[in-house]
Amino acid sequence: AQSVAQPEDQVNVAEGNPLTVKCTYSVSGNPYLFWYVQYPNRGLQFLLKYITGDNLVKGSYGFEAEFNKSQTSFHLKKPSALVSDSALYFCAVRDGGNDYKLSFGAGTTVTVRA
Amino acid sequence: DTAVSQTPKYLVTQMGNDKSIKCEQNLGHDTMYWYKQDSKKFLKIMFSYNNKELIINETVPNRFSPKSPDKAHLNLHINSLELGDSAVYFCASSQEIIAGEETQYFGPGTRLLVL
Repeated sequence: AQSVAQPEDQVNVAEGNPLTVKCTYSVSGNPYLFWYVQYPNRGLQFLLKYITGDNLVKGSYGFEAEFNKSQTSFHLKKPSALVSDSALYFCAVRDGGNDYKLSFGAGTTVTVRA
Repeated sequence: DTAVSQTPKYLVTQMGNDKSIKCEQNLGHDTMYWYKQDSKKFLKIMFSYNNKELIINETVPNRFSPKSPDKAHLNLHINSLELGDSAVYFCASSQEIIAGEETQYFGPGTRLLVL
């Protein structure tokens, strides 16, 4: 079985400060990891993914994420947050090759204050 | 230009009615999905079709029936609507599903309210 946890329901940061959204996962095989963002009343937008290769993945809007196999984590980061980054962020995992389903975390609401 | 589109965007209906939500993608993808997002924003897969073949069928009441007339369309029909069906339903598509690497692209969602 595969699962993903986002331990923080909410993250609040000041504009210009670093932003980190945490994600840990559990799979039996190789993890395929994704981050999505959802703005109010909108669909999910893809930010980045890790399949294989370099542990540091760069994505859209200045976001990046680091795959850490030993800690089974895939935290999302942005060096300098913007007010426009305020949204709901989802981490998702698929047990590569073992399951067709993409399992989503419960989501983390990010609020960036001016 | 919309990659994944859904109609209608909003749907308000009475308990016991039957309704359909339509989804279309113009990305040339082989795989399409339906997800349900509840009031707590939790997102869960319901169904997936790959080349018009049903490959994911989660524990969903049989009042929900997906239909894929072709690779570009995946519709969701719901019979005898219940209050608990109120949610946002998202359609998504990906190039394929077998390898698992492919990014899923989501539609804007259909907000269903059952009264």
